Amino acid sequence: EVQLVESGGGLVQPGGSLRLSCVASGFTVSNNFVSWVRQAPGQGLEWVSIIYSGGSTYYADSVKGRFTISRDNSKNTVHLQLSNLRAEDTAMYYCAVKMTVAAPFDYWGQGTLVAVSS
Amino acid sequence: DIQLTQSPSSLSASVGDRVTITCRASQGISNYLAWYQQKPGKVPELLIYLVSTLQSGVPSRFSGSGSGTDFTLTISSLQPEDVATYYCHKYNSDPWTFGQGTKVEIK
Repeated sequence: EVQLVESGGGLVQPGGSLRLSCVASGFTVSNNFVSWVRQAPGQGLEWVSIIYSGGSTYYADSVKGRFTISRDNSKNTVHLQLSNLRAEDTAMYYCAVKMTVAAPFDYWGQGTLVAVSS
Repeated sequence: DIQLTQSPSSLSASVGDRVTITCRASQGISNYLAWYQQKPGKVPELLIYLVSTLQSGVPSRFSGSGSGTDFTLTISSLQPEDVATYYCHKYNSDPWTFGQGTKVEIK
């Protein structure tokens, strides 16, 4: 069974940093595309970043230069390093995986909440 | 970058009504267009991918169509359990993009 469990969220001051983790089970992260999608309170979905099976990484313009996605194959985990955080980064951060070639993200975690406030 | 604009932003319809949601891309995109359903307090669920392919387990009252810049999600007979926000999503090329969402309510 495919499962994604996020952790690492919390309250942080503007300019601060956090590292989010997405522990995967039921599949191998290095063989699939794994992404982070966020949702600000009461708002819509916003794609944040993705790491391809081959290792290529991509970012939304809103986080480029501040966020870094990576993976630890030995722990079957994908990380998202958040730096220079702003109030507008406050959101639920979901980890999602694309298991099917033709489909987008078909499995999602329950999310981890990041709040940026002084 | 390609933007996805959904219309309407919200709608209210009666049980049994046919509901149509439109997703317009700012420039032509391939067939890597999907629709997600997000019920209140829940994680998004994949409904349709490749414009019109129904994800396993999704009721047949949901359908998708379109090409180029204009895509449509149709619910043929709205049910109470369809109350949710629906998002279109462009995938398989950078940047991966979501529409702003359409909130569907029961009248």
